[in-house]
Amino acid sequence: QVQLVQSGAEVKKPGSSVNVSCKASGGTFSNYAVSWVRQAPGQGLEWLGGIIPILDTAHYPQVFQGRITITADKFTSTVYMYLSSLRSEDTAIYYCARLQGSYYYYGMDVWGQGTTVTVSS
Amino acid sequence: QSVLTQPPSASGTPGQGVTISCSGSSSNIGTNTVNWYQQLPGAAPKLLIYGNHQRPSGVPDRFSGSKSGTSASLAISGLQSGDEADYYCAAWEDSINGPVVFGGGTKLTVL
Repeated sequence: QVQLVQSGAEVKKPGSSVNVSCKASGGTFSNYAVSWVRQAPGQGLEWLGGIIPILDTAHYPQVFQGRITITADKFTSTVYMYLSSLRSEDTAIYYCARLQGSYYYYGMDVWGQGTTVTVSS
Repeated sequence: QSVLTQPPSASGTPGQGVTISCSGSSSNIGTNTVNWYQQLPGAAPKLLIYGNHQRPSGVPDRFSGSKSGTSASLAISGLQSGDEADYYCAAWEDSINGPVVFGGGTKLTVL
């Protein structure tokens, strides 16, 4: 059974950037899309973007375009989420999630444990 | 402001049934399937319903999903205290918002 293991908590200054990793253990991402979702304290889920590793193609909502980059390393089964120009509103738990298939209309059926990113001066 | 609209809260007593709605538009629910997620306190979300009404292995049949037009619903029968959680709907939308959009979430309280 595949598990997604994310990198550890981060504390960042406003204006800096963060890189969060998500490694598949016991399986691969090969034929599955991967999404990144975040949850600010006391708030709901927000989709940050995703990648289709087999096509090496990433997709982002307009609100994050220019500030986020999602990449995949097929050899190590690791997906990365890079977010720049951090502000306090980016303080959240960041989750990676593997979808049931190769595009985003599938459900996200395997989730990472979450990575807390705190942006504070 | 979420693209999909859910009631912020719902409640029921043990053994009762409850329904949570999710309203969208022709750009998302109206033309694409809906997935539902359950998030227990302090935990990562879990896929509860996919493809409008399909249950992943291990999800009890007390949970069911349906879709009609631009709205979807999650029904939970025989409420248990362990069902107390936040529930989110999600759909695919081919727009600047997507392609994945979420509802704002519904907090279910079991009284």
